[in-house]
Amino acid sequence: SAVISQKPSRDICQRGTSLTIQCQVDSQVTMMFWYRQQPGQSLTLIATANQGSEATYESGFVIDKFPISRPNLTFSTLTVSNMSPEDSSIYLCSAEEGPKQYFGPGTRLTVT
Amino acid sequence: AQKITQTQPGMFVQEKEAVTLDCTYDTSDPSYGLFWYKQPSSGEMIFLIYQGSYDQQNATEGRYSLNFQKARKSANLVISASQLGDSAMYFCAMRDRPGGGADGLTFGKGTHLIIQP
Repeated sequence: SAVISQKPSRDICQRGTSLTIQCQVDSQVTMMFWYRQQPGQSLTLIATANQGSEATYESGFVIDKFPISRPNLTFSTLTVSNMSPEDSSIYLCSAEEGPKQYFGPGTRLTVT
Repeated sequence: AQKITQTQPGMFVQEKEAVTLDCTYDTSDPSYGLFWYKQPSSGEMIFLIYQGSYDQQNATEGRYSLNFQKARKSANLVISASQLGDSAMYFCAMRDRPGGGADGLTFGKGTHLIIQP
């Protein structure tokens, strides 16, 4: 199965600042995804990142707030911009390998 | 309407007993995939098992099996011989295009499983 790493694993940030989360996969994958898990909640898909094209965002998520890069088949970044306390969540990236989808360990973000 | 429904917010089970976690889903797409993940308190999402809508047999992965009842739109996870380390949140999820494609997963609200010694 694909092995996925994320950096940073956690961070505490001030409101109004931005944080970029990195996601690295140990093999080449076509599709990568970014999810948010707010405290005590389930996971919600933010966007799909396909190499060589613009990310596709789900309803309620916009590129200005969550810009995504996908420069190659093993790497993606998600930026959380102009943060507010409501952005405090776990952010997880995932990748498809065949029909299965594997997740990174997550980035636990706290905004003060 | 919810696409994935998990009706058990929490469950207490005695160690070594079998556990069934319920999941029902809703889709009009004939081609879809169903997933179960385990999330311990550390927060990582651990892939447990996958079932494609066209798979003839129920999926199995070690102590995990998926009881797939297509007509009832049910995809229950069965854990045999539960262990203390099985205590965690369990999420059922669906992708409406199991062959791959642009769709991410839709998750249920999860079941918090606690295994008691």
